[in-house]
Amino acid sequence: GESVGLHLPTLSVQEGDNSIINCAYSNSASDYFIWYKQESGKGPQFIIDIRSNMDKRQGQRVTVLLNKTVKHLSLQIAATQPGDSAVYFCAEKRSRSDRGSTLGRLYFGRGTQLTVWP
Amino acid sequence: DGGITQSPKYLFRKEGQNVTLSCEQNLNHDAMYWYRQDPGQGLRLIYYSQIVNDFQKGDIAEGYSVSREKKESFPLTVTSAQKNPTAFYLCASSIDRDRVSNQPQHFGDGTRLSIL
Repeated sequence: GESVGLHLPTLSVQEGDNSIINCAYSNSASDYFIWYKQESGKGPQFIIDIRSNMDKRQGQRVTVLLNKTVKHLSLQIAATQPGDSAVYFCAEKRSRSDRGSTLGRLYFGRGTQLTVWP
Repeated sequence: DGGITQSPKYLFRKEGQNVTLSCEQNLNHDAMYWYRQDPGQGLRLIYYSQIVNDFQKGDIAEGYSVSREKKESFPLTVTSAQKNPTAFYLCASSIDRDRVSNQPQHFGDGTRLSIL
């Protein structure tokens, strides 16, 4: 199944299927991107990151794809399990200074609720 | 184990009262952050600190205050001036040694603040 994080905040998939969660970003100065997983009542947990000089990065059961041309980021989860049910956030870091500070601030999307059915 | 500890997990505030949320990290991270999360929303930055004794306002600093007297600690005070304080508050930290490094922020498990 697929979702666009900002326009379709829920995604339901069957256990064992692959999941694709999408995220659009607007700032061409963004040079670093992170995906987080947040379970109910807990803080966001780091999943995987990617720098702007890459277009793909793989982890354990997860793959992040970056398309800088259309400013699009996606998280693919292989063989989705019930334990993957959570809200998934993308975050972007903008490299240019912001209000005089050079700290690379993170900007977060709204998140997508992933529900995995047995 | 290294990590970020937020306390308490649940907090209740009376009208006109200031409350302080604790955040401690033993990751030896330079930078620390406070975010507010409302239902169905992304994280909004309240305050951040890159180094001890220095901090900067984020996007929604009004009604909040912070201090950074120790590297490990970054407490957040929700003052009576914050008229809508009910939310989930998240503390994070990152290495940020050279300000240009691409390192993720790591989060605590949050404090849920409610109004009595």
